[in-house]
Amino acid sequence: RKEVEQDPGPFNVPEGATVAFNCTYSNSASQSFFWYRQDCRKEPKLLMSVYSSGNEDGRFTAQLNRASQYISLLIRDSKLSDSATYLCVLEGDQGGKLIFGQGTELSVKP
Amino acid sequence: GAVVSQHPSWVICKSGTSVKIECRSLDFQATTMFWYRQFPKQSLMLMATSNEGSKATYEQGVEKDKFLINHASLTLSTLTVTSAHPEDSSFYICSASGTSGSGVRSYNEQFFGPGTRLTVL
Repeated sequence: RKEVEQDPGPFNVPEGATVAFNCTYSNSASQSFFWYRQDCRKEPKLLMSVYSSGNEDGRFTAQLNRASQYISLLIRDSKLSDSATYLCVLEGDQGGKLIFGQGTELSVKP
Repeated sequence: GAVVSQHPSWVICKSGTSVKIECRSLDFQATTMFWYRQFPKQSLMLMATSNEGSKATYEQGVEKDKFLINHASLTLSTLTVTSAHPEDSSFYICSASGTSGSGVRSYNEQFFGPGTRLTVL
């Protein structure tokens, strides 16, 4: 079983739609979780950290469910510029190593 | 945020040659650098972790004699792909974490370089 699993998509949504991505992880000892965004042929960029209490940053909301070992990302009022691959990432238990999911591709259409 | 650069941004080489990729932290001291590889439509896979002044720690399945990593200073790490073959063609990305130049601010977050696209013919 992969350490981090994501639906690769693609998710094709119209502008203004709300879209949600889920991610499951296998290591219950994982402590830190993140969502990264990666544009085509570019490096990943940190979108937001994910806390147990949930956190919101503008149109983006991240949630963590430790009991079920999944993480979610909700994007409201999606924009064309949101089109990218969203990577679910967790920090491994050794020296700050990051473990990346395969990514979920989002395409926002006009 | 901190800035990490990579050079070159892309390289095309013949099979059997060696290619060196540089990763630099421009405004902070990178005590730890990470090297990743990403094949098309796949996730970033950690290849190795390097701490300044010590030998790199390689992930399982990554040949240390093929992928030579040097982290001789707090601002520079290099990855050399030796005797490259077409199957080594990939997107290589480094990341760095560390402290600001004054040692006051600690960057636990990893800052990624822009990546190097390697094509081996």
